[in-house]
Amino acid sequence: GAVVSQHPSWVICKSGTSVKIECRSLDFQATTMFWYRQFPKQSLMLMATSNEGSKATYEQGVEKDKFLINHASLTLSTLTVTSAHPEDSSFYICSARDTSGGLNNEQFFGPGTRLTVL
Amino acid sequence: RKEVEQDPGPFNVPEGATVAFNCTYSNSASQSFFWYRQDCRKEPKLLMSVYSSGNEDGRFTAQLNRASQYISLLIRDSKLSDSATYLCVAITDSWGKLQFGAGTQVVVTP
Repeated sequence: GAVVSQHPSWVICKSGTSVKIECRSLDFQATTMFWYRQFPKQSLMLMATSNEGSKATYEQGVEKDKFLINHASLTLSTLTVTSAHPEDSSFYICSARDTSGGLNNEQFFGPGTRLTVL
Repeated sequence: RKEVEQDPGPFNVPEGATVAFNCTYSNSASQSFFWYRQDCRKEPKLLMSVYSSGNEDGRFTAQLNRASQYISLLIRDSKLSDSATYLCVAITDSWGKLQFGAGTQVVVTP
């Protein structure tokens, strides 16, 4: 149990295009999802916290208009990188947490999405 | 100053040997701590939680020192499959936001 999927697993796009990444909790309801970004040899950096049915909370320095987050259901959150540029190339990872008290509030990570912007 | 700091390594360890490394955290209000393992180009996977009294899980032992604000991980009888980056994680707020260290790379050699 407690599986989180991400789609796509990798994407290559041209500069200026928008890319949508989906994060799904497959066998539990995730009231809270987190989006992280990881550059090579660096730590995972939290970008935003996404709560179902409400606006995401962005970390300092993360542009909310560039990284659009939608958490419309208890099993799906999406991150859209708008007008992507080469510096947005990174490994994007989501995690999901069952805040209803199940699964001991542990966060479960998706397999990540590797974005390359040309 | 980063919330969670780790020695990046790499720690080169002969198979069968013991390796230990620490992680320091800056927020004294941090309540929960974990060690995650991350393989190259993969997502992090929870290795173990870290309890105040210290805890063991097989060949892995984790310790917490609140006074000095560090946690440690010790790996006994290292296996080749232990080669990975070990991420130190602290939870510092009620939202459960994970603060990650940059990771310590461990390379176990035959």
